[in-house]
Amino acid sequence: AQSVSQHNHHVILSEAASLELGCNYSYGGTVNLFWYVQYPGQHLQLLLKYFSGDPLVKGIKGFEAEFIKSKFSFNLRKPSVQWSDTAEYFCAVNDDGGATNKLIFGTGTLLAVQP
Amino acid sequence: DVKVTQSSRYLVKRTGEKVFLECVQDMDHENMFWYRQDPGLGLRLIYFSYDVKMKEKGDIPEGYSVSREKKERFSLILESASTNQTSMYLCASSPRVTEQYFGPGTRLTVT
Repeated sequence: AQSVSQHNHHVILSEAASLELGCNYSYGGTVNLFWYVQYPGQHLQLLLKYFSGDPLVKGIKGFEAEFIKSKFSFNLRKPSVQWSDTAEYFCAVNDDGGATNKLIFGTGTLLAVQP
Repeated sequence: DVKVTQSSRYLVKRTGEKVFLECVQDMDHENMFWYRQDPGLGLRLIYFSYDVKMKEKGDIPEGYSVSREKKERFSLILESASTNQTSMYLCASSPRVTEQYFGPGTRLTVT
């Protein structure tokens, strides 16, 4: 069965530090990839998505992610984090070409940014 | 803006009670989903529906059922609530091939 791994469960950074959160998936076929964010007390919202084309995807709030097919990875990056980026981040994969739009989520990474 | 609403933000029920969680979306989306979110486990899919009256099991359907009588509404039913069903329940909707839009969640406590 398809699985999604987020190896960093809890990350603590100071403001202005660079961020990279890892995401690996197990399926070898065509995938659609997503990063979602959940700010404290808020609902999940989409940060960015990759369906096809340029493997470097830019999202909201200065986030970007790179799809590396050979490594089955879709890591999330931000050059300089802010205190307001404190949130939980989820990687998700759709592996049926969008036939059902069903997503498999990773276990999440809790990011705490210290001012 | 897409809006997904859930009937309650917080709910406390007793063991053995029948529990209904309601979700409504206002964007005419075909697909709707129910997840539970637990610390350290991420989001796990309980059931989803890709059309009215259609439903498919997700990864953890045991102890749950669903109903979709109208396109905009997707209900999650706990037939006989148990303490291990204490969790945050998230509803989502999506058009055919794109991202999912999430509701605010219902935090259910079963005592």
